[in-house]
Amino acid sequence: GAVVSQHPSRVICKSGTSVKIECRSLDFQATTMFWYRQFPKQSLMLMATSNEGSKATYEQGVEKDKFLINHASLTLSTLTVTSAHPEDSSFYICSAPSGGDEQYFGPGTRLTVT
Amino acid sequence: EDQVTQSPEALRLQEGESSSLNCSYTVSGLRGLFWYRQDPGKGPEFLFTLYSAGEEKEKERLKATLTKKESFLHITAPKPEDSATYLCAVPGTTDSWGKLQFGAGTQVVVTP
Repeated sequence: GAVVSQHPSRVICKSGTSVKIECRSLDFQATTMFWYRQFPKQSLMLMATSNEGSKATYEQGVEKDKFLINHASLTLSTLTVTSAHPEDSSFYICSAPSGGDEQYFGPGTRLTVT
Repeated sequence: EDQVTQSPEALRLQEGESSSLNCSYTVSGLRGLFWYRQDPGKGPEFLFTLYSAGEEKEKERLKATLTKKESFLHITAPKPEDSATYLCAVPGTTDSWGKLQFGAGTQVVVTP
């Protein structure tokens, strides 16, 4: 299957700081990528759609000014959590399609805000 | 409102003890249903896509089936390495296959 990577795998930051998470498609190009969030013992929830060459679209209830998304190239999307707070601590996962209908997911980034 | 419900929440199996997981959905105009496997601390790993009622897909000890109201993931003679959380998901909108609505998952533990 297609390979999606994320960096970093884990990050700890202080409350009020910003954190950038990268999502890369390693062996295919993706004009669209998706960002999900997963809280402990819960399932994945879609946060936003990252579009190469245009603005990201956000799901209802997700603050676009807090979760900045930039689709810099056909293989890279970044999610920046601005002014992070402890309630933003979560597992952030990106996905991308590689040509079929299925999504391929990255390994996830564990964010802990202290 | 579209809903995806998985049962049971957790399943403990002895090695070799076959079982089935259920994913029921209330989605108008289902376009497809996905099964994923997720190991702790990792992203979901794609298993199957099912498009229409009556369709079946197999991979090693796993077999996924689809009816008009639900999907089943059958695990035949499971091994400890089949221990994981199994997620089903449906595309939530008509304009994108990537906007997935996930069920809560079934956590499967297979003991030797």
